[in-house]
Amino acid sequence: DAGITQSPRYKITETGRQVTLMCHQTWSHSYMFWYRQDLGHGLRLIYYSAAADITDKGEVPDGYVVSRSKTENFPLTLESATRSQTSVYFCASSDRQGNSPLHFGNGTRLTVT
Amino acid sequence: GENVEQHPSTLSVQEGDSAVIKCTYSDSASNYFPWYKQELGKRPQLIIDIRSNVGEKKDQRIAVTLNKTAKHFSLHITETQPEDSAVYFCAASQGYGGSQGNLIFGKGTKLSVKP
Repeated sequence: DAGITQSPRYKITETGRQVTLMCHQTWSHSYMFWYRQDLGHGLRLIYYSAAADITDKGEVPDGYVVSRSKTENFPLTLESATRSQTSVYFCASSDRQGNSPLHFGNGTRLTVT
Repeated sequence: GENVEQHPSTLSVQEGDSAVIKCTYSDSASNYFPWYKQELGKRPQLIIDIRSNVGEKKDQRIAVTLNKTAKHFSLHITETQPEDSAVYFCAASQGYGGSQGNLIFGKGTKLSVKP
């Protein structure tokens, strides 16, 4: 769906560098989520946000930082990238009532060398 | 915390046959159980979901059943077609409203439908 966009689609970075993955949605959904997907692990929740300025940890938050200054944006930052953070990252959003299914973005494939 | 187990990890069927994927969850407080289909290189997409106050839900060739007592739920696909080939994920959540997107996923089942 064009309503949720992630950038970049592909990123290669070096160990120790800071990298930010962007997520933007146009539905004014209250909830936004970051998941990572690794072979053999399925999808795991990193962080989520119920509204602007409200964020909370998911299953695997270590090494990641998020912010939500505006409802439509939910960037994910790796402050010092490690090889174990090589993954496909999916952003998703949902309305407050939960009436819409969880909408996923197209994903960002991140490689840490 | 919640743990979701999914079986089998791979499933191969002939076109026209049925396919069944099973999941178990550990936390009886979970109340929302969606199933996602993910084609190679694409995003996961919701195909069907069920809430804890319902035992079964159908949508054309797809159905999901939930057994709260045993804490397991299953995806049934009838009359499989080659385009059903994909990885399927089950998930569980305790949330209400938008927080139901706080999901614990199974590890996925790769379904192959042979023509």
